[in-house]
This record gives sequence, structure tokens and C-alpha cells, in this order.
Amino acid sequence: NAGVTQTPKFQVLKTGQSMTLQCAQDMNHNSMYWYRQDPGMGLRLIYYSASEGTTDKGEVPNGYNVSRLNKREFSLRLESAAPSQTSVYFCASSPDRISYEQYFGPGTRLTVT
Amino acid sequence: KNEVEQSPQNLTAQEGEFITINCSYSVGISALHWLQQHPGGGIVSLFMLSSGKKKHGRLIATINIQEKHSSLHITASHPRDSAVYICAAKNYGGSQGNLIFGKGTKLSVKP
Repeated sequence: NAGVTQTPKFQVLKTGQSMTLQCAQDMNHNSMYWYRQDPGMGLRLIYYSASEGTTDKGEVPNGYNVSRLNKREFSLRLESAAPSQTSVYFCASSPDRISYEQYFGPGTRLTVT
Repeated sequence: KNEVEQSPQNLTAQEGEFITINCSYSVGISALHWLQQHPGGGIVSLFMLSSGKKKHGRLIATINIQEKHSSLHITASHPRDSAVYICAAKNYGGSQGNLIFGKGTKLSVKP
């Protein structure tokens, strides 16, 4: 099992460009999450999907959109990238939102110039 | 004030030392998580606990619900334990199930 995979690992964008971060899990988990990690701050939840077909905003959703494509895949889209979105992005999954630990992907390091 | 506070922020130890990392939280929680972030960036879940104590190898996690405090202990520390240790509280309230993360404790174990 690969666990949680993310692509790409690194990305540099110019301000205003768009891109989609991909995440997939092969553990048959119901819940998936997108976080960002910035220096000096804890991980912050951007969006989550409690189950296939549902998505909800987290703590810092502005500037992002998500799609739960199917049970395996949860993508994060930046429509018009801004320098404030320079961060490391982590995808995670868990069997459900309440009872279980989360499994994290390797992260995507995004720089917006 | 952050809802999840960790101390210390940075910790340097000699190999073999007993290490304690503390986590205090101010929200109602259903569980408390301890995670390890390797120098390469990967994040691994170490423990999820809602009461008492859990042990895995040289790692021990404890939680005191009344005092809203948890500790992560590492016995006989080793340089490979060098990492950032993150505490996260699973919110019991309005956004049930969401994790609120501390800023992490950077541990460096010298040989």
C-alpha cells in the first residue's frame, strides 16, 4: 500500500497562475483533509471531506477550492495564486473524522513569486 | 492565546537522556494526538489518546483531562529521535472532529 500520495512534490508559480494539487489514498478511508504548514505556525485546516460527495471549509479556506473526485482522491485548487499561499501543503486521510488518527501524505512545497 | 500550546519550543538533549514534551489545551476535546515530523518533512501519527497513558517502544504519552494537559516522554533518547513533535487536539465542539495543532517542539538529540 502506498498510503497517502501527493503530487507534485515541489511547485513554483507566478502570482495569478492556477494549479491543482492532487492527493490520493489507497486505504479505503472515508475522510480526507488538506492542511497548510507555515513557519512558526501549527498546521491549519484548509478544507476537509468527511465522506465521498461532501466537502466543508476549515480554518483557512479563502483562495482555495476542493473536489472529492471519488473515495480515493481529493484535490486542492488554487485559482489565482498569491504570495501569501506560499506554504507546504499536506493531504491527510482517516477512516472517519471522529474516532481515528490521520495519515499524512509527504507534502507539496509551493512557492508563489 | 493559542488553543493548543506546546513547551518547550526547542529542546536539545544528549543521547540517552529522558525527554518530556508538554502540551496544554483550552478547548473541549474528544482525543489528543501526538505526531512526529521528520527532518525531511513527513508527518507520522504516534499516539491518539483520550485518557490515561499509552506506550509504544521508548515513547510514552499521558493525558490529564481535568488539567487539560498531555505529555510525551522519550526514554533513552537517540539521535534518530531528532524531529519536530506536534500535539493536536481533536475538537469536541462546533467543528467536531477537526484537529487543532500546536506549533511543535523541535527536538535535537546529540550523540
